[in-house]
Amino acid sequence: DTGVSQDPRHKITKRGQNVTFRCDPISEHNRLYWYRQTLGQGPEFLTYFQNEAQLEKSRLLSDRFSAERPKGSFSTLEIQRTEQGDSAMYLCASGGRGTNEKLFFGSGTQLSVL
Amino acid sequence: EDKVVQSPLSLVVHEGDTVTLNCSYEVTNFRSLLWYKQEKKAPTFLFMLTSSGIEKKSGRLSSILDKKELFSILNITATQTGDSAVYLCAVAGDSWGKLQFGAGTQVVVTP
Repeated sequence: DTGVSQDPRHKITKRGQNVTFRCDPISEHNRLYWYRQTLGQGPEFLTYFQNEAQLEKSRLLSDRFSAERPKGSFSTLEIQRTEQGDSAMYLCASGGRGTNEKLFFGSGTQLSVL
Repeated sequence: EDKVVQSPLSLVVHEGDTVTLNCSYEVTNFRSLLWYKQEKKAPTFLFMLTSSGIEKKSGRLSSILDKKELFSILNITATQTGDSAVYLCAVAGDSWGKLQFGAGTQVVVTP
């Protein structure tokens, strides 16, 4: 257990529905990241928060995706109007002062869009 | 665009064998290279390398970085079935924690 928790672990939804995932990082970490991983590939960066500020978004993050970290603690990732191509593992990671690029990953939310 | 290529994509070895995994990269403003092990879900951190030629070791695992030739290797000696996993290589460039991952190497250790 890395200390980063994600909920839910699995989500099955129908195409066109909205889904929301939650990530609770390690409490003393000020940086929080979302990555997406598809079968046979490494994780791909989606977005990054430092405290409550969203500092960077990948061009992979279409306008159907939105992420928030309202109080600089937990974060949510929402996907609106899901498509089958959104099916993937969504991983959250956190890092703090002194950890540099070393990130601690959660177990992910596996999304299946039918 | 940053790029990380891992080889081989997969391999099967017998318990006790030694494996060598390769990672080559191209990245703007290199900060560090990291190795992670992914067994089922969460990638777990193994090593972070920033300087050329300095080997990092942890038990039967070791890794080294060559910043001139832009590659790293991860060695696992005396493999055990518990070493079966996907090993991910990632590089960090301009942004803190924005890691560019390779596709991973699937290692299967048979008894």
